[in-house]
Amino acid sequence: NAGVMQNPRHLVRRRGQEARLRCSPMKGHSHVYWYRQLPEEGLKFMVYLQKENIIDESGMPKERFSAEFPKEGPSILRIQQVVRGDSAAYFCASSPGLSPTGGKQPQHFGDGTRLSIL
Amino acid sequence: QKEVEQDPGPLSVPEGAIVSLNCTYSNSAFQYFMWYRQYSRKGPELLMYTYSSGNKEDGRFTAQVDKSSKYISLFIRDSQPSDSATYLCAMSITGANSKLTFGKGITLSVRP
Repeated sequence: NAGVMQNPRHLVRRRGQEARLRCSPMKGHSHVYWYRQLPEEGLKFMVYLQKENIIDESGMPKERFSAEFPKEGPSILRIQQVVRGDSAAYFCASSPGLSPTGGKQPQHFGDGTRLSIL
Repeated sequence: QKEVEQDPGPLSVPEGAIVSLNCTYSNSAFQYFMWYRQYSRKGPELLMYTYSSGNKEDGRFTAQVDKSSKYISLFIRDSQPSDSATYLCAMSITGANSKLTFGKGITLSVRP
């Protein structure tokens, strides 16, 4: 029973390059969330997606960051023209949304992608 | 004032001790409360999930929510070295399947 899969686990980019982080949710989960964990900081919400839809992007920086969850394939978090301040651990979580009885199901996290900017 | 405040730690206890971890929050709209455990270089793992005020017990873990005081706690009984990790409180307004707001986390070390 595979959990949330994130790849790569580690990513090194030079300033100005693009970073693409991938997340495959748990089987049966149609809700995906991205969080960022900066050194000495807690997890900060970035974006919440369902298949082909962005539900809540209130935590996404206005520029350079985008996310998608296509009908087929993993969710992608894309960071364009990376800067040193983008260095962080990026975590993806997934949820089935609602249980068969209507209960709101909690999120399960992957092990993250650690992004380092040179 | 941050939305969610968590005791900064770190916390070190002997094996077998009872551990109390706490968070306070400022937004009275929070209704769903979670505790996650995070080992080094791993993702957060859900430990407890509660809705509104009250207690919930699962094995050695008990979660308490006091909405009137905007205060939540996690108790660990008979603590083990394997409990050594960072503990994160998290909460949500509309449900565990929507945006979570986390505390900064507290690192617990249980000494054999």
